[in-house]
Order: sequence, then C-alpha cells, then structure tokens
Amino acid sequence: KQEVTQIPAALSVPEGENLVLNCSFTDSAIYNLQWFRQDPGKGLTSLLLIQSSQREQTSGRLNASLDKSSGRSTLYIAASQPGDSATYLCAAIFFGAGGTSYGKLTFGQGTILTVHP
Amino acid sequence: GAVVSQHPSWVICKSGTSVKIECRSLDFQATTMFWYRQFPKQSLMLMATSNEGSKATYEQGVEKDKFLINHASLTLSTLTVTSAHPEDSSFYICSARSLDTGSNEQYFGPGTRLTVT
Repeated sequence: KQEVTQIPAALSVPEGENLVLNCSFTDSAIYNLQWFRQDPGKGLTSLLLIQSSQREQTSGRLNASLDKSSGRSTLYIAASQPGDSATYLCAAIFFGAGGTSYGKLTFGQGTILTVHP
Repeated sequence: GAVVSQHPSWVICKSGTSVKIECRSLDFQATTMFWYRQFPKQSLMLMATSNEGSKATYEQGVEKDKFLINHASLTLSTLTVTSAHPEDSSFYICSARSLDTGSNEQYFGPGTRLTVT
C-alpha cells in the first residue's frame, strides 16, 4: 500500500532556530512530492514541489529534498519565525500498476509547527 | 495565477437537506479536479477525482449516491452532499490540476466548512 508518513506530529521551537520536518513514503515509484502549509481553518498553500527527477527545491528560507531510494523527503526551514507556525503537510503522487499515474495526492498526517518568540 | 475558489466558505444545514459546494479555477482550465474531506486534527482524505465531461471516480468507502459530483466545464466542479447527516460535518477542500503544465501540480481551494445540525 502506498502511504506517506510524517514525523514528528508536532514540533515546538524558539524563534530563529533552523528546523527539519520529515516525510517518508513507502513506494519509490513516485511521480512528484509536494509540501504544503495549512493554517487553522484554512485551505492549503503549496510551498514546494519536487519532481521525481529532482533532488531538491528551494524557495526563500525553505528547502525541500527528495531521496527516492530511501523513501524520504525533508523540509528545511531556516531562521524560523512565529509566522511560520502552521501545519505542514507533505503529499506524494505515486505511479500505479503499469506505471500509470492518475495524479492522486496521498497525504501524510502533517506536522504541527509552533515557533515561539 | 492558479487561483481556485470555493463557494460557500461555510454552511450550516439541517439534517436531511442537501448542500452544494462549488469549486472554480479562476484563471486556468482544469480537466481534473479533486475533492477532499478533512476531519478535525486529521489530514486530507481524497474522496473522488472529477474529470470534465465524464463521471467522477470515487475512492473506496465513499458513497457516490451521497456525494454527487458534477464537472460540467473546465473551470467548475460541484460537490452535492445529499441527505446530509451530522457525521458529514467536515471541512471539504477541492483542488484543480492545470491543463497547461505537465507537472501534475494541484492548486487548492480555501475549503468549505460544512456543519450539519
């Protein structure tokens, strides 16, 4: 079964700290992987998308990596700020049988990040 | 660019009534839209995949006669919750996949909070 898991479920850090959020997936036949941010009661904001042929993507203070062989992705947040407090979700699109992708995202459970001043 | 809207943003209805939720891609065309449900403190669960001009594909365990999906145009998909019950109360989020890119990136709407009393 193709699954995505995120550890830890919650993380609290002081402002200014660099931090890493972890995401693991059970199947290396991955089409792409996305990291999202979700504020309470809101929809999802896409942060970074990594294609299967890529190893990392960067946007501002965010860097996401992808290692298909180990089934892992990490989201690195540099110099964290209180405004970074949110739930971070990773989601993967897997290939199905026969190498077909239907574009369905499989989500992890999310990591609730709190950055305190 | 790549903005997806949902209407309404929240709705309260009585048990037994039906509720329609709209998902629109505002500045791009989407052949495929996805409907998710998110219960409190849980991650997103895919309910169905909606393709323009054809019947939706429902995930296992999702009642297609209860959750009616119509994708009549390249910019609009609707989800109708029929004969709603309190257990249908949830946060419903749609996403749309652009025709224009080959990345399979999905753009998410802001969500609709449904409360059934």
